[in-house]
Amino acid sequence: DVQLVESGGGLVRPGGSLRLSCATSGFIFSSYTMNWVRLTPGKGLEWVATISASTNYISYADSVRGRFTISRDNAKSSLYLQMSSLRADDTALYYCARDGPGGPTPSYYDHWGQGVLVTVSS
Amino acid sequence: EVLLTQSPGTLALSPGDRATLSCRASQTLTSRYLAWFQQRPGQSPRLLVFGASTRATGIPDRFSGSGSGTDFTLTINRLEPEDFAVYFCHHYGDSPGIFGQGTRVEVK
Repeated sequence: DVQLVESGGGLVRPGGSLRLSCATSGFIFSSYTMNWVRLTPGKGLEWVATISASTNYISYADSVRGRFTISRDNAKSSLYLQMSSLRADDTALYYCARDGPGGPTPSYYDHWGQGVLVTVSS
Repeated sequence: EVLLTQSPGTLALSPGDRATLSCRASQTLTSRYLAWFQQRPGQSPRLLVFGASTRATGIPDRFSGSGSGTDFTLTINRLEPEDFAVYFCHHYGDSPGIFGQGTRVEVK
């Protein structure tokens, strides 16, 4: 079975940094584009960042560009999101999500993790 | 940038009823890159439909997606207890991907 397990969330002060990880199993990680998507009570679901299988395509939402960095380690089947200069409006449940096979870029998401909570507050 | 508006915000129905959920785009989607997700409380989103009408693997046939252009619909026939959840639509294929705000299907 495909599994995506996020970790690394927590409480951080405004201006601080945090690194999220997504450990995956059950599929050939190095063949799939991966994404981070977040959920907030006010804005609902918001795409955050995308990284292609070979890392030749990386894209960010305007709201996080310049502050967040998406990366991956295909040898470890893991996805990461380095978040810096965090703001209160970055508070959200962060999901990693796998692109559906054979779709366009960006694609739909056929598997999601359970999410990790990031709270930015003083 | 495309905006997706879902209606109604909340749908109160009984088990066995049919649910009809709408997702309207602010501009014509020339491709049918529209997906639907289900999210139950405390669970991660679950893909139901992609390409506007293709059911994802393992999704029961009581779920069906339809539509094109600006108007898309998710129909759930014969609601089961586990179908009471929040449903999101998602336009992909353009960057950024855009989500609707969700429709909650609750027990009447």
